[in-house]
Amino acid sequence: GAVVSQHPSRVICKSGTSVKIECRSLDFQATTMFWYRQFPKQSLMLMATSNEGSKATYEQGVEKDKFLINHASLTLSTLTVTSAHPEDSSFYICSAGRGGGDEQFFGPGTRLTVL
Amino acid sequence: QKEVEQNSGPLSVPEGAIASLNCTYSDRGSQSFFWYRQYSGKSPELIMSIYSNGDKEDGRFTAQLNKASQYVSLLIRDSQPSDSATYLCAVILTGGGNKLTFGTGTQLKVEL
Repeated sequence: GAVVSQHPSRVICKSGTSVKIECRSLDFQATTMFWYRQFPKQSLMLMATSNEGSKATYEQGVEKDKFLINHASLTLSTLTVTSAHPEDSSFYICSAGRGGGDEQFFGPGTRLTVL
Repeated sequence: QKEVEQNSGPLSVPEGAIASLNCTYSDRGSQSFFWYRQYSGKSPELIMSIYSNGDKEDGRFTAQLNKASQYVSLLIRDSQPSDSATYLCAVILTGGGNKLTFGTGTQLKVEL
């Protein structure tokens, strides 16, 4: 149990375009999902907390208008990187927690490259 | 002072030895602690959670928590080359909801 998937696993896009990343909890319902970003040789940095049916909570310094998060159901959250630029190139990882516990299970990640 | 601190390593141990990974945290009120393993280019994988002082064992892994001294450690017995990875310590800080705060990770190398 506790499987989280992400799609796509890898995406290359041109500067100025938007990219949508999906995060799904496959065998459990996730009221809360989290979005992280990881640059090479650095640790994970939390970008935002995604709550089903309500607005996401963004960490300080993360532009909410650039990184749009939608958590429309208990098994799906999406992150859209709008008007992507080369500095947005990174490894984006989502996680989800099962109800009643605080353990987080991570998806496999999406590697974004903006040309 | 960082909220969660780990030695970045690399920590090199011979195959079959015990690897000891340490983590300290600044928030005395923290109650939930986690160890994740991350292979290069992959996402983190939960190894163990620990909430109470003392030891918690799961297979070759033992987590140790000492809230008075504000440290949590992970022991890996009979280390294997496949254990070579970065080990991330994560803590839920007081008032942080369910948000994890990660250390920078310790790189472990298990040598043949």
